[in-house]
Amino acid sequence: DSGVTQTPKHLITATGQRVTLRCSPRSGDLSVYWYQQSLDQGLQFLIQYYNGEERAKGNILERFSAQQFPDLHSELNLSSLELGDSALYFCASSVDRTGRPSGANVLTFGAGSRLTVL
Amino acid sequence: AQSVTQLDSQVPVFEEAPVELRCNYSSSVSVYLFWYVQYPNQGLQLLLKYLSGSTLVKGINGFEAEFNKSQTSFHLRKPSVHISDTAEYFCAVSRSMKTSYDKVIFGPGTSLSVIP
Repeated sequence: DSGVTQTPKHLITATGQRVTLRCSPRSGDLSVYWYQQSLDQGLQFLIQYYNGEERAKGNILERFSAQQFPDLHSELNLSSLELGDSALYFCASSVDRTGRPSGANVLTFGAGSRLTVL
Repeated sequence: AQSVTQLDSQVPVFEEAPVELRCNYSSSVSVYLFWYVQYPNQGLQLLLKYLSGSTLVKGINGFEAEFNKSQTSFHLRKPSVHISDTAEYFCAVSRSMKTSYDKVIFGPGTSLSVIP
């Protein structure tokens, strides 16, 4: 158990629907990252939050949105789903404390949420 | 922007043989480098990291990697592989910054298959 909890583990839904994926970071970690893993695109960075604020954005579609709440858990919302959105969605967390002498983001990953859009 | 190339998408190797998984990166600034491993049906976990200092980095499970700035490479090696090393291996990069807000970019991955 990595300490990063993702729910649900599996989700099957239809095109046009909306789903919410949830992530609880490891205790003490302030940053949350979302990645999408698919066979043809590999591991794509979607978005990063630090202590409730958006810090970096990657290849995240406009149909997707995310937020990090005061208790540091994060949700990734996927709407108007298409077949191509079927993928594994990973959440990762890192400590990211301001003022660290080394700013390396060592990520701890959750087990992922597998989304299947039919 | 940073990017990562992993030249080999699949690497088959016999058990107890040595293996090298190649990684090259592109960045206009100093970087941190990482190798992560993903076992079947699991999330990624850190194998090793290069932040600064010695260019030879040792990680878990007998893996090591060497940072070569002139060749912008960070190849992963193991002198003798086991069946349990069968997994997907990802090289990753992030900019070297005083505050650690930078995103981590992953390469496409290399699938290592260890043959009995």
